[in-house]
Amino acid sequence: GEQVEQRPPHLSVPEGDSAVIICTYTDSATAYFYWYKQEPGAGLQLLMSVFSNVDRKEEQGLTVLLNKKDKQLSLNLTAAHPGDSAVYFCAAENTGGADRLTFGKGTQLIIQP
Amino acid sequence: EAAVTQSPRNKVAVTGGKVTLSCNQTNNHNNMYWYRQDTGHGLRLIHYSYGAGSTEKGDIPDGYKASRPSQENFSLILELATPSQTSVYFCASGGGGALEQYFGPGTRLTVL
Repeated sequence: GEQVEQRPPHLSVPEGDSAVIICTYTDSATAYFYWYKQEPGAGLQLLMSVFSNVDRKEEQGLTVLLNKKDKQLSLNLTAAHPGDSAVYFCAAENTGGADRLTFGKGTQLIIQP
Repeated sequence: EAAVTQSPRNKVAVTGGKVTLSCNQTNNHNNMYWYRQDTGHGLRLIHYSYGAGSTEKGDIPDGYKASRPSQENFSLILELATPSQTSVYFCASGGGGALEQYFGPGTRLTVL
């Protein structure tokens, strides 16, 4: 089945700077990818879903890049602000079936005011 | 927007006791999932369901049972709770073509 590695586990950037989180996956047949945000004490909030026929997707200050050759998915937060501080997870469709997702282990992002 | 609720939000249990965590979704999704979240492990899938009456084992099912009595409700049952089951548990629903999952707010379980 799919395996997902996420890095870095911790990331601290000044307010206004960009933050980049990267995930690598193993199954080239994976069709769907997701980014989730988890704020303290809360569940995971779906930020963006990306289908494998898309190389780049932008929504509300977030850019997701999908490099299928390197099996790499990245999330770029531009002009980060303190409200972006949270734990971010990538997830990939588990092509083993059963409508399952495989999650990365998360990135704790801190935006310094 | 998808709505998934969990109860209780916090639970303290004793070793050997029975614990039931409940999840309700109003999205009419076919699939529901139970995860646990632990530092260093991310999210791990315990059980999931394709619909009422169905339960399937996830990656770490040992020590847990699940019950899906209806489309809306999915329960996670710890028959004999152990301290190693202290964790935060998340329920999710999904089932659209894009496999998106929508999460509840979580239940913090402490087993003493």
